[in-house]
Amino acid sequence: KQEVTQIPAALSVPEGENLVLNCSFTDSAIYNLQWFRQDPGKGLTSLLLIQSSQREQTSGRLNASLDKSSGRSTLYIAASQPGDSATYLCAVSDYKLSFGAGTTVTVRA
Amino acid sequence: EAGVAQSPRYKIIEKRQSVAFWCNPISGHATLYWYQQILGQGPKLLIQFQNNGVVDDSQLPKDRFSAERLKGVDSTLKIQPAKLEDSAVYLCASSLEGSASGRRETQYFGPGTRLLVL
Repeated sequence: KQEVTQIPAALSVPEGENLVLNCSFTDSAIYNLQWFRQDPGKGLTSLLLIQSSQREQTSGRLNASLDKSSGRSTLYIAASQPGDSATYLCAVSDYKLSFGAGTTVTVRA
Repeated sequence: EAGVAQSPRYKIIEKRQSVAFWCNPISGHATLYWYQQILGQGPKLLIQFQNNGVVDDSQLPKDRFSAERLKGVDSTLKIQPAKLEDSAVYLCASSLEGSASGRRETQYFGPGTRLLVL
């Protein structure tokens, strides 16, 4: 059974600082890994999807890396802004999506 | 493009009552998913439909939960009777194709229905 862990559970940083969010998974036989953002009272928004054959994906200030062999992914958010405050979830796809519990980020103005 | 629609947004019921949630996926999306997200946890897949057929319902508590997707479009998820531990956010998602055997494209999520069982 796939287990997905995200550490830390919560993170608070001053505006402008770079964010580093970690995700680990137990079974490396995955098709892809996704990072989602969840705002309070709202659904999930997909940020980045990395196929298993890729090492990283970039979108604007976001960069996600994938090391399938070690079962790790990292989401980097450069120059954080208060609008980046949200919960970030990673999910791995084998025969279904398995989610971590998320990291709740607060960016202080 | 309209997103995934869900209703109601909030529901409060007494334990042992029944409740139903509705989901309308993005137009043209063949695959529909229902997830349960308990506070402080990631979403857990309850059931996956491909058109109007069930692909995966292995984590659906079938003694009290049921779901259907008539005509391969809208879907309803029902809980009868509800228990305290069913308090959660129920998320509906859809994707263009999906596959029973693996590779998944991006899933698009609705805003969810927040259920509180007292």
